[in-house]
Amino acid sequence: EAGVVQSPRYKIIEKKQPVAFWCNPISGHNTLYWYLQNLGQGPELLIRYENEEAVDDSQLPKDRFSAERLKGVDSTLKIQPAELGDSAVYLCASSPSQRTGELFFGEGSRLTVL
Amino acid sequence: GENVEQHPSTLSVQEGDSAVIKCTYSDSASNYFPWYKQELGKRPQLIIDIRSNVGEKKDQRIAVTLNKTAKHFSLHITETQPEDSAVYFCAAKKGLGRLYFGRGTQLTVWP
Repeated sequence: EAGVVQSPRYKIIEKKQPVAFWCNPISGHNTLYWYLQNLGQGPELLIRYENEEAVDDSQLPKDRFSAERLKGVDSTLKIQPAELGDSAVYLCASSPSQRTGELFFGEGSRLTVL
Repeated sequence: GENVEQHPSTLSVQEGDSAVIKCTYSDSASNYFPWYKQELGKRPQLIIDIRSNVGEKKDQRIAVTLNKTAKHFSLHITETQPEDSAVYFCAAKKGLGRLYFGRGTQLTVWP
């Protein structure tokens, strides 16, 4: 069974440029999460989807970040414009439902903003 | 929201020794406590979890204990091996709410 797939794995951009990350969850997983992981810290939730509905986006900086999960399958996270402080790893995870404990993470997308 | 504190931030042990990582949480209503292992450059992966109706859970060389009264839980790794070297994250969750992670512990096992 394929795991959570993310792309790109690495992205280097200059500040003020836009960037987008894509995530394809495990087939059949209704819940999808985007996490931000700064160096030396634990993952922090940005947004959580239950199917195509965003059920928890309170930590998403909506002035520059946006996300969508059309059709309740794959998802895109966008930053526009990027700032230096956005340099981090963006992790996508999925689970069969909100009731399921285990999260299945992707390899992450490492963003460097110059 | 929940606040999860994790200690120590780094831990070095000799191969074969035991390692213990401790976490505290602030929300007494939290009822699910997983531990994730993240090897360098890899994805976090669940290694063990415990729910609030259980005080201890073991899986081969790893075990987790939970003290609800004190609001802390611990990961115990016995007979450590070099492949146990990784960053370990504890986390806490209440019901259908979000999962809150600790800051992580870098475990190094020296051969």
